Amino acid sequence: KQEVTQIPAALSVPEGENLVLNCSFTDSAIYNLQWFRQDPGKGLTSLLLIQSSQREQTSGRLNASLDKSSGRSTLYIAASQPGDSATYLCAVANSGGYQKVTFGTGTKLQVIP
Amino acid sequence: DGGITQSPKYLFRKEGQNVTLSCEQNLNHDAMYWYRQDPGQGLRLIYYSQIVNDFQKGDIAEGYSVSREKKESFPLTVTSAQKNPTAFYLCASSQNAAETQYFGPGTRLLVL
Repeated sequence: KQEVTQIPAALSVPEGENLVLNCSFTDSAIYNLQWFRQDPGKGLTSLLLIQSSQREQTSGRLNASLDKSSGRSTLYIAASQPGDSATYLCAVANSGGYQKVTFGTGTKLQVIP
Repeated sequence: DGGITQSPKYLFRKEGQNVTLSCEQNLNHDAMYWYRQDPGQGLRLIYYSQIVNDFQKGDIAEGYSVSREKKESFPLTVTSAQKNPTAFYLCASSQNAAETQYFGPGTRLLVL
């Protein structure tokens, strides 16, 4: 059974800092890995999707990396802004007839002005 | 605008009552999903549907039921058999089971 862990559960940084969020998973037979953002009381917004054959994906100030062999992914946020404050969720889709998605519990990020 | 809508935003359930949460998408996606989110826990899959008139149980299907009579609609019924229904319910859709999932804004269910 796939297990997805995100550490730390909460993170507070001053505006302008670069930061890294971590995601680890136990079963390396994945189809893809996705990072989402969730604002309080809202649905999830997809940030980056990395296919199992890829090592990283970039979008603006965000860069996500994937190391399947070690079961890890990181989300790098450059020059953080108060608007980046949200909970960030990692989700892993496993290979198979149906690509079951397992979510981590998230990292709650606060960027202080 | 293309997207996923969920209604209502808040729903109150009385003891022994069945309630239905609505989920509609106009993205022409084949696959749709229902998740439950509780504080401190990751999203847990309740039901999913890969095509019209077909759906499968997820990890926590007990006490819930769904239907998929139309491609754009995937309503979730929380039955009286679900003893702890208070949670945030999220609906999602994707082009197929392997692609990015797009989420609706959620419905918060509370028990009176």
